[in-house]
Amino acid sequence: GAVVSQHPSRVICKSGTSVKIECRSLDFQATTMFWYRQFPKQSLMLMATSNEGSKATYEQGVEKDKFLINHASLTLSTLTVTSAHPEDSSFYICSALRDDPSEQYFGPGTRLTVT
Amino acid sequence: QKEVEQDPGPLSVPEGAIVSLNCTYSNSAFQYFMWYRQYSRKGPELLMYTYSSGNKEDGRFTAQVDKSSKYISLFIRDSQPSDSATYLCAMSTTPGGGNKLTFGTGTQLKVEL
Repeated sequence: GAVVSQHPSRVICKSGTSVKIECRSLDFQATTMFWYRQFPKQSLMLMATSNEGSKATYEQGVEKDKFLINHASLTLSTLTVTSAHPEDSSFYICSALRDDPSEQYFGPGTRLTVT
Repeated sequence: QKEVEQDPGPLSVPEGAIVSLNCTYSNSAFQYFMWYRQYSRKGPELLMYTYSSGNKEDGRFTAQVDKSSKYISLFIRDSQPSDSATYLCAMSTTPGGGNKLTFGTGTQLKVEL
C-alpha cells in the first residue's frame, strides 16, 4: 500500500516562533499534496493544495503568509507555521494524491502545541 | 448549513452489534463517496470508496449511497472492540478526491466487550 509519513509527530513551541512540518510520500510520487487542520472533535478542514513546482492554492480564510507551503519534490511537501500563536495549536494532517488509481493517502498527523 | 452533516456521537454498542453510520449532504455535484476510519491522534485510513448510488460490500463493511436523498451510510457487521474509532465520511466531485475532499465531522464509535 501507499505510505505517507509526517515529521515531527508532535511539536511544542513558544509563541512567536516558526515550526516546519514535513510530509513525505514514501513509495509513490505525488504531484499533489493536501494540508488539513483538525481541531478536537471536529472534522478535517482543507487548508491548501500543494502542487509540485508551483505555488500552493489556499482555501478561503487561510493566511498564505502565515502558513507557508513548499512542494519542492515529488515526494516532499512542507508546511511552515510562521510566528505561531496559541490559537494555531491543532492537529495538522497531510495527504498525498496517487494518480492510478486516484486516491488520497493520509499521513499520521502532527500535533502542534503553541505555548 | 454545512455541506456535509454527520452526527458526532458518541455511539456506544456491544460487541457483535450491527453499527449504522450516516451522513447527509447538500451539494448534488458530489459523485464520489468515501468512509475513513481515524484512530485517536492518527491520520484517517480509507475504508470504503463508492461512486454514485448503490451498495458496496467489503468484508464486515457495507457502504450505501442514495443520491436521490443525498444520504450515505456505512454498516459494520459483527462489530469488534478494534472497530472503536472515529468514522469520517468524505465526498468529492472528482475521482478519489483528486480535487478536494469535503469531510463530515466524524462519528465517534465505541464497541464494548
